[in-house]
Amino acid sequence: EAGVTQFPSHSVIEKGQTVTLRCDPISGHDNLYWYRRVMGKEIKFLLHFVKESKQDESGMPNNRFLAERTGGTYSTLKVQPAELEDSGVYFCASSLRQDYNEQFFGPGTRLTVL
Amino acid sequence: GDSVTQMEGPVTLSEEAFLTINCTYTATGYPSLFWYVQYPGEGLQLLLKATKADDKGSNKGFEATYRKETTSFHLEKGSVQVSDSAVYFCALLSPIYSGGGADGLTFGKGTHLIIQP
Repeated sequence: EAGVTQFPSHSVIEKGQTVTLRCDPISGHDNLYWYRRVMGKEIKFLLHFVKESKQDESGMPNNRFLAERTGGTYSTLKVQPAELEDSGVYFCASSLRQDYNEQFFGPGTRLTVL
Repeated sequence: GDSVTQMEGPVTLSEEAFLTINCTYTATGYPSLFWYVQYPGEGLQLLLKATKADDKGSNKGFEATYRKETTSFHLEKGSVQVSDSAVYFCALLSPIYSGGGADGLTFGKGTHLIIQP
């Protein structure tokens, strides 16, 4: 069974540019989560999808971030325009249920904004 | 809001030494508690979990007990190996509809563990 995959693994862009990150969850997992780890800080929750619906987006830092999950399968996270403080590792996770069920994490996308 | 505090390290030990990584939490209600591990070059993997007070999670020789009275979930291993070198994250998940936090996991900052042969 394939795990959670993320693309790209690394992205280096200049301030003001746009970047789109992609996450493919484990097949059949309705719950999809985005997290971010800025250097030296905790891994922070960004948002949670149940199928194609945003269940909780309380962790999204500002309106430069837009997440979508059309059709309830893969998800994209767009940063537009990117700022220096957006640099970090973006993780995606998926789970079968929302409760204490295990969340399976992808390898992350390392974003560097210059 | 919810929060997790853990020792940051790096923690350097010799092979076969005893390991303890402390983790304490603040949460509304009764959260589930987790330890995740990130090996070099890989994503986060669930190491163990506990869903209610006094539960003990265990895996690969690691153990942690959910202590409600001290709001702690310390990770222990009796004899560490070089292959245990990784970053360890303590995390919690508040119950659905607890009203105390977001839907996602709340993580500590991570503890970098280095085991020397």
